[in-house]
Amino acid sequence: ELKVEQNPLFLSMQEGKNYTIYCNYSTTSDRLYWYRQDPGKSLESLFVLLSNGAVKQEGRLMASLDTKARLSTLHITAAVHDLSATYFCAVGNNAGNMLTFGGGTRLMVKP
Amino acid sequence: DTGVSQNPRHKITKRGQNVTFRCDPISEHNRLYWYRQTLGQGPEFLTYFQNEAQLEKSRLLSDRFSAERPKGSFSTLEIQRTEQGDSAMYLCASSLIAGELFFGEGSRLTVL
Repeated sequence: ELKVEQNPLFLSMQEGKNYTIYCNYSTTSDRLYWYRQDPGKSLESLFVLLSNGAVKQEGRLMASLDTKARLSTLHITAAVHDLSATYFCAVGNNAGNMLTFGGGTRLMVKP
Repeated sequence: DTGVSQNPRHKITKRGQNVTFRCDPISEHNRLYWYRQTLGQGPEFLTYFQNEAQLEKSRLLSDRFSAERPKGSFSTLEIQRTEQGDSAMYLCASSLIAGELFFGEGSRLTVL
């Protein structure tokens, strides 16, 4: 059974600081997704990572995937308040028909 | 708006009642998924359809839950004899085969 663990579960940051969220998963997969969720809202797709060594960047967020280590990271550069949300990683199974989500990282960026 | 649409957005019901949620996927997507999310947790897979065929069901989907996608377009998720533990956000997503999932806004269920 595929298990996905994120850490930290909660992160409080000052604006302007950098930090990394980690996503570990238990079985082989080459599909990893990062989503953002605002309170009471649905999931917004941020990144799709489909190969070992994939790196994608959008604004202050950068995601990477190491399939050998079964690890993905979401790096936040110079955080701003608008990034406050919960971030989920999700790993696809090899059949490509199911995502298993991590428990989420609740990010709060303080002025 | 051509995204995934879910109705109703919020349903409050008494324990023991039946509820039904509807999902309209992105029109060209042949896969449709249902997930459940409880407060403070990540979404959990319930079931998925490819066209009208229900291909996989999670063990979370007890016999009180039934999902249909009769014509391969919209889908319904029915919960019979609701329990307080059913209170959650029910998320629908759609995709092309092996494609990225796009999620709807969700249907929040509160069982009193």
